[in-house]
Amino acid sequence: DVKVTQSSRYLVKRTGEKVFLECVQDMDHENMFWYRQDPGLGLRLIYFSYDVKMKEKGDIPEGYSVSREKKERFSLILESASTNQTSMYLCASLTGGYNSPLHFGNGTRLTVT
Amino acid sequence: AQTVTQSQPEMSVQEAETVTLSCTYDTSESDYYLFWYKQPPSRQMILVIRQEAYKQQNATENRFSVNFQKAAKSFSLKISDSQLGDAAMYFCAYRSYTSGTYKYIFGTGTRLKVLA
Repeated sequence: DVKVTQSSRYLVKRTGEKVFLECVQDMDHENMFWYRQDPGLGLRLIYFSYDVKMKEKGDIPEGYSVSREKKERFSLILESASTNQTSMYLCASLTGGYNSPLHFGNGTRLTVT
Repeated sequence: AQTVTQSQPEMSVQEAETVTLSCTYDTSESDYYLFWYKQPPSRQMILVIRQEAYKQQNATENRFSVNFQKAAKSFSLKISDSQLGDAAMYFCAYRSYTSGTYKYIFGTGTRLKVLA
């Protein structure tokens, strides 16, 4: 069974801090994604990566960056955390199979104070 | 651009009854996949069911089935014999594959409450 692990379930950070959210998958998936989930807004794509060192902006990349140095790990970076980045962050991975679904981690609930 | 609309923010169903969650989407593509995901309080997103646009037959997975109307761009989820464990947020998702990358678009979700 595919396992996508997010390093923190809950995180509290201060405004202006640099924040790292880590995600690791164990199934050699090429594609990895970072989503932000807010009530009434659903899941919005921040960044995705289709290979090591490759990244593409999603719909809401402002204030975020990502890193993918190894295939299994995809990191989301908040360069200078702000209160409007308080949210649930979901990582997901996907193999290249045509009908394969996204596999999600358990989410990180980030609070920026 | 593709969009996915879930017009029911919240639904309730009596245990053992049937409920239908609505989803509509907009796209100009002809080849795509549609998914329903469930997110229980544990926050783990779980795949419920998937449907390929080229397949006319509606997908079914045990108590879960879809009503896929391609021309109307509608993809509703029917849950039969509802159980307390079905209580969750349900997200409809659209997936396309273009220019070598996958693109997923999610609806805003429907919170399903199951009444004992």
